[in-house]
Amino acid sequence: SAVISQKPSRDICQRGTSLTIQCQVDSQVTMMFWYRQQPGQSLTLIATANQGSEATYESGFVIDKFPISRPNLTFSTLTVSNMSPEDSSIYLCSATGDLGTEAFFGQGTRLTVV
Amino acid sequence: GESVGLHLPTLSVQEGDNSIINCAYSNSASDYFIWYKQESGKGPQFIIDIRSNMDKRQGQRVTVLLNKTVKHLSLQIAATQPGDSAVYFCAENIISWGKFQFGAGTQVVVTP
Repeated sequence: SAVISQKPSRDICQRGTSLTIQCQVDSQVTMMFWYRQQPGQSLTLIATANQGSEATYESGFVIDKFPISRPNLTFSTLTVSNMSPEDSSIYLCSATGDLGTEAFFGQGTRLTVV
Repeated sequence: GESVGLHLPTLSVQEGDNSIINCAYSNSASDYFIWYKQESGKGPQFIIDIRSNMDKRQGQRVTVLLNKTVKHLSLQIAATQPGDSAVYFCAENIISWGKFQFGAGTQVVVTP
């Protein structure tokens, strides 16, 4: 199984600022994804992080608000831009390997916007 | 659109009893499902998975059942322990590999 590390694990940020979350996987993986989990709710997929190209965003999420990078097979970043209190959530990185393997998750980044 | 959902938001179980968590899905084309356990302050942890060509799969103290006729998924936990207290999510593979749609989640509370 892959071990996924996220930094920071939590942060409190002022509205209007931006935060970049890092995701590091301990082995090469095929797919990487970013999810959001609002307080007391389930996980919602934000986007697929594509290596060396623009991320693929799900409905309701846009690149200007959530720019994503994936420079190599084991690392990705998610930026939450121009934050508002509504962005307070847990942001989770996920990775999956070859076809037939499960998707693993990082421990999440708990973001509070004040 | 099609979605994954759960029947019970909270499940209280006495220690030692068996737990059953249910999940309904509506996308008949889904071919892969995962159950995750999420403890407070942690990311989802893989429990067990099942493919659509199976109707049952067993792990250590857990069993997943898939009924494609009624689009129903369940997770059975045998001899529930205090460490099983968590939120459990079913997740459905959608469209392309690695992308999952999550159910609403069930909070399992194990009482002594």
